[in-house]
Amino acid sequence: KAGVTQTPRYLIKTRGQQVTLSCSPISGHRSVSWYQQTPGQGLQFLFEYFSETQRNKGNFPGRFSGRQFSNSRSEMNVSTLELGDSALYLCASSLGQGIGEKLFFGSGTQLSVL
Amino acid sequence: EDQVTQSPEALRLQEGESSSLNCSYTVSGLRGLFWYRQDPGKGPEFLFTLYSAGEEKEKERLKATLTKKESFLHITAPKPEDSATYLCAVQAPSDYKLSFGAGTTVTVRA
Repeated sequence: KAGVTQTPRYLIKTRGQQVTLSCSPISGHRSVSWYQQTPGQGLQFLFEYFSETQRNKGNFPGRFSGRQFSNSRSEMNVSTLELGDSALYLCASSLGQGIGEKLFFGSGTQLSVL
Repeated sequence: EDQVTQSPEALRLQEGESSSLNCSYTVSGLRGLFWYRQDPGKGPEFLFTLYSAGEEKEKERLKATLTKKESFLHITAPKPEDSATYLCAVQAPSDYKLSFGAGTTVTVRA
């Protein structure tokens, strides 16, 4: 069974640009979550989608947005990039049942903003 | 707001030298406490979920325990392949998100 696939693996952008990251969940999984990981802040929750609906959102500015498609694939977009957006962006998928459910993470997209 | 604190930040062990990692948490009504392992350049890999105080789970050289305020991850007779960052996370009843601690980086020398 294929795992969670994130593309691209690495990305270099300049301040002010926008970026779109992609995530393909494990087959059959309907929930996709996004996390930002930095050395200083650790793993921080961005948002979670289930059946194309955002169920939960973290404390990030509106420049961070996401969406989920009918096949459960998800994208996240960051507009007007800032230097502080440099991070590893991790996508995780699950069945979406919620109660103590384990997440399966992809290897992430390493974003560098210059 | 949910808070998760892990200690120590880093742990250097000799092969075979057992030790424990601590995860203390503050959450209103714990839905689950999770342990993940993360290797460099990879996403976190699930290890355990604990739901209630007194619960214990084991997997190879790892054993996780849970009390009302903290969880421990015991590593028994570690091997170099156990070197990784171990992350603790909690889930509150009202959330679909996990709140992670900063992690403990374990290095096991042969």
